[in-house]
Amino acid sequence: QVQLQESGPGLVKPSETLSLTCTISGDYVGYGSQYWNWIRQPPGKGLEWLGYIYYSGNTEYNPSLKSRLTISLATSKRKFSLQLTSVTAADTAVYYCARGGIDWENYFDYWGQGIPVTVSS
Amino acid sequence: ELVMTQSPATLSVSPGERATLSCRASQSVGSNLAWYQQKPGQAPRLLIYGASTGATGNPARFSGSGSGTEFTLTISSLQSEDFAVYYCQQYNDWPNTFGGGTKVEIK
Repeated sequence: QVQLQESGPGLVKPSETLSLTCTISGDYVGYGSQYWNWIRQPPGKGLEWLGYIYYSGNTEYNPSLKSRLTISLATSKRKFSLQLTSVTAADTAVYYCARGGIDWENYFDYWGQGIPVTVSS
Repeated sequence: ELVMTQSPATLSVSPGERATLSCRASQSVGSNLAWYQQKPGQAPRLLIYGASTGATGNPARFSGSGSGTEFTLTISSLQSEDFAVYYCQQYNDWPNTFGGGTKVEIK
């Protein structure tokens, strides 16, 4: 059974860097055909795809965040991380990690439970 | 950026009735369209991918159809556990984008 779990601080100050980690169990970021993604949801709003990382280390980011966002992969291949710099109140959201589908079809078949992050001084 | 538009924003349905939700893409996404269900305080759950393929473990009352720019999610006979928000998502192009959601509420 594939499970994903987000971890990190629940409160970040404006202008600082948000760092989150997704821990994978029951799978790993291996030589497959799947992307590993970050998605967020501001309070009371819809979903926004942030970006993905592939086992090779290749990444794709949402242009709306591209200059501030970095997604990286741990050497264990069982964790991947998000770093979002220069955060503002607009970055307050529940952040989810999610696995993409097979054959590079990036629907999201497994999700973490989500971690709420508030940007406030 | 490819824009996904869902309608209606809210759908009021009685238990046992059929619900039809729509999703329109600003340009063709082929069949690269997924549907999700989200309940309060929970992560979204994949219902449909490839526009019409049911995800594992979901009831058969959920079905998807369409291609190109027009898509439909049908819930054949609403159960109490189906009252939730439903999102469509295109994965044909980057960035992947979601619709704004349809809330299915009890009539």
